[in-house]
Amino acid sequence: GAVVSQHPSRVICKSGTSVKIECRSLDFQATTMFWYRQFPKQSLMLMATSNEGSKATYEQGVEKDKFLINHASLTLSTLTVTSAHPEDSSFYICSASRTRTGDEKLFFGSGTQLSVL
Amino acid sequence: GENVEQHPSTLSVQEGDSAVIKCTYSDSASNYFPWYKQELGKRPQLIIDIRSNVGEKKDQRIAVTLNKTAKHFSLHITETQPEDSAVYFCAASSNFNKFYFGSGTKLNVKP
Repeated sequence: GAVVSQHPSRVICKSGTSVKIECRSLDFQATTMFWYRQFPKQSLMLMATSNEGSKATYEQGVEKDKFLINHASLTLSTLTVTSAHPEDSSFYICSASRTRTGDEKLFFGSGTQLSVL
Repeated sequence: GENVEQHPSTLSVQEGDSAVIKCTYSDSASNYFPWYKQELGKRPQLIIDIRSNVGEKKDQRIAVTLNKTAKHFSLHITETQPEDSAVYFCAASSNFNKFYFGSGTKLNVKP
């Protein structure tokens, strides 16, 4: 399958600081990337849809000013958690949509475990 | 928006038996249905997918069936092995615009 790289894999930060997470599609161009949040033993909750060159679309209940998404190129999307608080601690995982005609698929990054102290 | 429900939440089978996981969806516009396997602490891995113009798809021990009329689709794993133990997620998407996931099924294959 295609490769989606996500960094960092784990980050610990102090309350009030900002954390940036990168998601890269390594061997295909991704016009659309998605950011999910996953709590332990729970499902993937869609936070936002990131489209290259345009503003991200956020799901209901997700604060766009707190979770800043930038999709500056066809291979890179970033999620910045601003002024992080302990309740933001979670597993964040990105995915990229490979839209090869007739063989479209969604591939996931390896995830980022964020711990806010 | 789309609502995907998945059952059961946990499933325990004996090695060699079959396992079936079922999902329903609400949006008739959904036309792509992937299944992912996620091992603890790792990324979800795509194991099989089906599009709305197909009723069934098989890949070795794994098969997926789709009933568009009833809006449900199922994952079938035959001859289960201990390494099949993981959490499985179904998902539904309309033209790859968004993906909505089921709540997950923890499969335990007992040797």
